[in-house]
Amino acid sequence: AQTVTQSQPEMSVQEAETVTLSCTYDTSESDYYLFWYKQPPSRQMILVIRQEAYKQQNATENRFSVNFQKAAKSFSLKISDSQLGDAAMYFCAVPFQGAQKLVFGQGTRLTINP
Amino acid sequence: GAVVSQHPSWVICKSGTSVKIECRSLDFQATTMFWYRQFPKQSLMLMATSNEGSKATYEQGVEKDKFLINHASLTLSTLTVTSAHPEDSSFYICSATQGAQIETQYFGPGTRLLVL
Repeated sequence: AQTVTQSQPEMSVQEAETVTLSCTYDTSESDYYLFWYKQPPSRQMILVIRQEAYKQQNATENRFSVNFQKAAKSFSLKISDSQLGDAAMYFCAVPFQGAQKLVFGQGTRLTINP
Repeated sequence: GAVVSQHPSWVICKSGTSVKIECRSLDFQATTMFWYRQFPKQSLMLMATSNEGSKATYEQGVEKDKFLINHASLTLSTLTVTSAHPEDSSFYICSATQGAQIETQYFGPGTRLLVL
């Protein structure tokens, strides 16, 4: 079965602090990408970061980084120096069926406290 | 680069009518386009995958006669909700990729459909 699990429905963090959002998945794909998308109140899906599964080095994009544990099928997102504009729903997404489609996790709503 | 547009952004229609939603890739050729549905406070659920010039592949449980998808060119896919009913009210999002494998999906801004 294709499963992507985000176990934290809601998270909150103080502005300027660090927060980690978790994601676990189950896939039989051997070579794939993993994605974190952000959906602010406008509901536009925005790519935050992606990780190539065959790369051991964790991806980093400015304040956003991932902790990718391939054997454990875990793909967490760390946001450093949180800013008010980071408040949004965050979805992790994993490809299935020959990497032809993405399955999304349930989402984590992130609140930033000033 | 990699911009996807959707039109309309908001549509209200009467029960029993049909509604067409357009999805366009503005600055790239989209090999594959995807249509998602998102209910309030829920995740994105894939409805169908469309490739230019071929029939769409629908996910299990999605009525292909109700949700007609046409991918007439490498930059345009349309979703038509036929004989819409209030339960079809939802947020519909399209996305597009450039290659055969999913490297990155680029999302449109979504269309909010309300059926009265």
